[in-house]
Amino acid sequence: NAGVMQNPRHLVRRRGQEARLRCSPMKGHSHVYWYRQLPEEGLKFMVYLQKENIIDESGMPKERFSAEFPKEGPSILRIQQVVRGDSAAYFCASSPPPRTPGSYGYTFGSGTRLTVV
Amino acid sequence: KNEVEQSPQNLTAQEGEFITINCSYSVGISALHWLQQHPGGGIVSLFMLSSGKKKHGRLIATINIQEKHSSLHITASHPRDSAVYICAAANAGGTSYGKLTFGQGTILTVHP
Repeated sequence: NAGVMQNPRHLVRRRGQEARLRCSPMKGHSHVYWYRQLPEEGLKFMVYLQKENIIDESGMPKERFSAEFPKEGPSILRIQQVVRGDSAAYFCASSPPPRTPGSYGYTFGSGTRLTVV
Repeated sequence: KNEVEQSPQNLTAQEGEFITINCSYSVGISALHWLQQHPGGGIVSLFMLSSGKKKHGRLIATINIQEKHSSLHITASHPRDSAVYICAAANAGGTSYGKLTFGQGTILTVHP
């Protein structure tokens, strides 16, 4: 089991470009969460998705940010027209449905470090 | 006031010392997570607990639901334990483990 895979590990974008961050959950995990860690700040919830559904996006900035988790393929966090303030580490986590026997639960990916220049 | 508060913010210890990091929360939770993050590194889940106590190697986590308080203990600390330790509360209810609300982290430095 390869764990939660995030790519790319590092991403550099110029202001105004688009950033696409990918997250492949652990096998058997149907729930994906995105978190952002701004420089010198703590982790903050962004969005929670299940396959083909956004369950909770209360932490997403109102503009330029979107997320999806299609039936096939990884979850994508998309940031349009990036600005310097978007520079941060973006972490994805996945979990199985609750009360799944033999599972730990939450597993984090290694993160994507986005730098906007 | 943050919903999840950790103390201390910074902790320095000598190798071999017993370490305690505290976490208090003000929200209803379904579980309390302890996480470890090395500088520039990913996040490792150490424990998820909803009651009592869990132990893994030199790490022990306890939670008191009535007092809304959890502690992470490290016995016989080692320089490789140097990292940021983060507690996070998973929200109550729902059909999943829930989104996490994080404490600000405790920076632990263990000197040889």
